[in-house]
Amino acid sequence: AQRVTQPEKLLSVFKGAPVELKCNYSYSGSPELFWYVQYSRQRLQLLLRHISRESIKGFTADLNKGETSFHLKKPFAQEEDSAMYYCALSTGNQFYFGTGTSLTVIP
Amino acid sequence: SAVISQKPSRDICQRGTSLTIQCQVDSQVTMMFWYRQQPGQSLTLIATANQGSEATYESGFVIDKFPISRPNLTFSTLTVSNMSPEDSSIYLCSVRQGNIQYFGAGTRLSVL
Repeated sequence: AQRVTQPEKLLSVFKGAPVELKCNYSYSGSPELFWYVQYSRQRLQLLLRHISRESIKGFTADLNKGETSFHLKKPFAQEEDSAMYYCALSTGNQFYFGTGTSLTVIP
Repeated sequence: SAVISQKPSRDICQRGTSLTIQCQVDSQVTMMFWYRQQPGQSLTLIATANQGSEATYESGFVIDKFPISRPNLTFSTLTVSNMSPEDSSIYLCSVRQGNIQYFGAGTRLSVL
């Protein structure tokens, strides 16, 4: 079965502190992993994908196949990062989303 | 990237009635998807709508309850039929382009 796990429902950090949102996946094939973000009153949108290997809004995520993880990291959190974050796995035919992590950055 | 227009953005409905949600995409797409997003839970795929064929429903969702139309490559509708309070949720239209999923703004449905 394909599955995406985000163990933290809620995460609070202070502004300027590092932040890591955890994501683990379970898939027997070659996965494509994504992070989606939903800011307050906005639509769900793509933040980054692992094959791009780029930094978006200061966020990076590295696919670790050994640990089957795709954690999202940012060295210095900003207030505008407060949002709901979803990790997603694509098998080509199907997308699977984690349950999401609500990030709050405390000023 | 695909731009998706979804309407209505929200509605409050009475038990036993039906609501049809519309989804318009600014480009032609083969596959359109309908998701449900309940508070505190992940996105749940309801069905995949392909143009020219019947929608494919996920386990737990049936056509009688959630009929879907896909008349062309840029448009789809989802109807929530015979609504009950348990149907209160956010319904999302989504399309896939280049293995990236794009989402509409969602329809927030409240059933009284």
